[in-house]
Amino acid sequence: DAGVIQSPRHEVTEMGQEVTLRCKPISGHNSLFWYRQTMMRGLELLIYFNNNVPIDDSGMPEDRFSAKMPNASFSTLKIQPSEPRDSAVYFCASMLTDSYEQYFGPGTRLTVT
Amino acid sequence: TQLLEQSPQFLSIQEGENLTVYCNSSSVFSSLQWYRQEPGEGPVLLVTVVTGGEVKKLKRLTFQFGDARKDSSLHITAAQPGDTGLYLCAGEEAAGNKLTFGGGTRVLVKP
Repeated sequence: DAGVIQSPRHEVTEMGQEVTLRCKPISGHNSLFWYRQTMMRGLELLIYFNNNVPIDDSGMPEDRFSAKMPNASFSTLKIQPSEPRDSAVYFCASMLTDSYEQYFGPGTRLTVT
Repeated sequence: TQLLEQSPQFLSIQEGENLTVYCNSSSVFSSLQWYRQEPGEGPVLLVTVVTGGEVKKLKRLTFQFGDARKDSSLHITAAQPGDTGLYLCAGEEAAGNKLTFGGGTRVLVKP
């Protein structure tokens, strides 16, 4: 199994630009989570999907952030426009619902200058 | 929002020593997980505990879930440099599937 795949691994962009992060969950997993990790705030849940439907987006910082899951094998997290305070490592994780076990991808390190 | 506090935030020990990391909350969790994260990688699940008072062992690592399911501890015996990393506890809310993570404990084991 390839595990959770995220792309790109690193992204450097200028303030005001649109950023799209991508995630391919483990095949067969029906829950998908987007997290953000910073030194100051630790690991924070942004949004999660169950069977491609967004269940809880209360962690999404503001309207500049949006996430989609058009099918069971693909999700995107978009930031438009990006700001320097969005700089962080963004993780995607997937899980078989009710299994307790989340599997994390390697993360995307985003730097907004 | 249920909060998880981990202590200590940072721990530096010599190879062969023992260490304990604590995870505490005022709220009850239906399950609690421990993850280890290495630089440049995502967290990797070590164990899940679901029953109050439960103790699980993974080689030199011992995990305990408090009787009231509000706290947990991770004990490492005879630590090795390979145990170095960020240890995160995460509690599952009763509503299901959503995890709340603690702030993490950064462990450094010096050879």
